[in-house]
Amino acid sequence: GNSVTQMEGPVTLSEEAFLTINCTYTATGYPSLFWYVQYPGEGLQLLLKATKADDKGSNKGFEATYRKETTSFHLEKGSVQVSDSAVYFCALSVIGSQGNLNFGKGTKLSVKP
Amino acid sequence: SAVISQKPSRDICQRGTSLTIQCQVDSQVTMMFWYRQQPGQSLTLIATANQGSEATYESGFVIDKFPISRPNLTFSTLTVSNMSPEDSSIYLCSVVGHDQETQYFGPGTRLLVL
Repeated sequence: GNSVTQMEGPVTLSEEAFLTINCTYTATGYPSLFWYVQYPGEGLQLLLKATKADDKGSNKGFEATYRKETTSFHLEKGSVQVSDSAVYFCALSVIGSQGNLNFGKGTKLSVKP
Repeated sequence: SAVISQKPSRDICQRGTSLTIQCQVDSQVTMMFWYRQQPGQSLTLIATANQGSEATYESGFVIDKFPISRPNLTFSTLTVSNMSPEDSSIYLCSVVGHDQETQYFGPGTRLLVL
């Protein structure tokens, strides 16, 4: 079946630190991969996505590269800000699944000034 | 991307009552999804709602508890029936974008059942 595993949180960093949130997946078929972000008290927002191997998704300084060989889609940011404090969800969808998303459990990030 | 609104944004309800959540999209979409996010947890798909047909429910969710309407291509409702404290969650609707795979989410409805 299809599933997503992401690193357990919470993750606490100081402002301007480097961020990595690991995400690996298993999928039957050819998945598209997504990172969603949920800021406190809000719904989910699409952060970035990649639809095929070696694609790099990027947005707001965040990046993730679709690595088929390691079945990974790790989220990175070179210098986090306090405003990046949120819960980050890795997710996948498989072609033909009519948009059904499989979510990871979420990783809570807290950035301290 | 689609602009999605939900009503109410939050509510506090008594056990045994029902609450209907509305989801409005600014464009016509074929598929809409309803999710539940229990406190501190990830999202769980409740059902897929297509216009003109019965909603398709995921394992563990039944129509009697979570009836869904989809009267047109821009609107859907989810009712949480006969509520108990275990129903306290965030309920989110989402739609699939024009690429037929990226989902866009509403802001969520935060429900507390006492």
